[in-house]
Amino acid sequence: DQQVKQNSPSLSVQEGRISILNCDYTNSMFDYFLWYKKYPAEGPTFLISISSIKDKNEDGRFTVFLNKSAKHLSLHIVPSQPGDSAVYFCAASGSSGTYKYIFGTGTRLKV
Amino acid sequence: DGGITQSPKYLFRKEGQNVTLSCEQNLNHDAMYWYRQDPGQGLRLIYYSQIVNDFQKGDIAEGYSVSREKKESFPLTVTSAQKNPTAFYLCASSPVGLETQYFGPGTRLLVL
Repeated sequence: DQQVKQNSPSLSVQEGRISILNCDYTNSMFDYFLWYKKYPAEGPTFLISISSIKDKNEDGRFTVFLNKSAKHLSLHIVPSQPGDSAVYFCAASGSSGTYKYIFGTGTRLKV
Repeated sequence: DGGITQSPKYLFRKEGQNVTLSCEQNLNHDAMYWYRQDPGQGLRLIYYSQIVNDFQKGDIAEGYSVSREKKESFPLTVTSAQKNPTAFYLCASSPVGLETQYFGPGTRLLVL
């Protein structure tokens, strides 16, 4: 079963507007979340993270929101730029000492 | 400058052949990981290692083997038992604990 879901395989946004990428998870033990950006034929690059003690984390144009009760997180990119066009993955892990991250299937953003 | 290197960028495997993918990091990270990415899917964990001379199976370890003889190196062997090896393979590393993972550029494996 897919514990981390990105239900939108693709998203198209105009330059300068807001991009909102969504991620849902099913395991309530997850308490640390990351977003990665990936260009074709390259490794993912880390964008931003959030732990469950927060509901928002901001870094420049990127903001991640966490709604624990809904088991939902979202990545906001404002303003969107053509260089943001890539595949975005969310990943989640628990605090049980595991090193394992569970990745979503990714959302392809086109700006 | 520090980083993770993977080689080769492209690798071709013949039927019944074992091939080894290289992963080296100079970030002084204790933990290293191997993932597989297939089209339209997320990254799936093959093996991970938290410390030298120790490693654990991930979610899809069948048909793969690893070694961790040095802190900076974590090679992955795709054995002939892996019936569907064509994929993009990514190596990552992180400091101890629940830390951000940093990825290498990946190796694309193709079967001839």
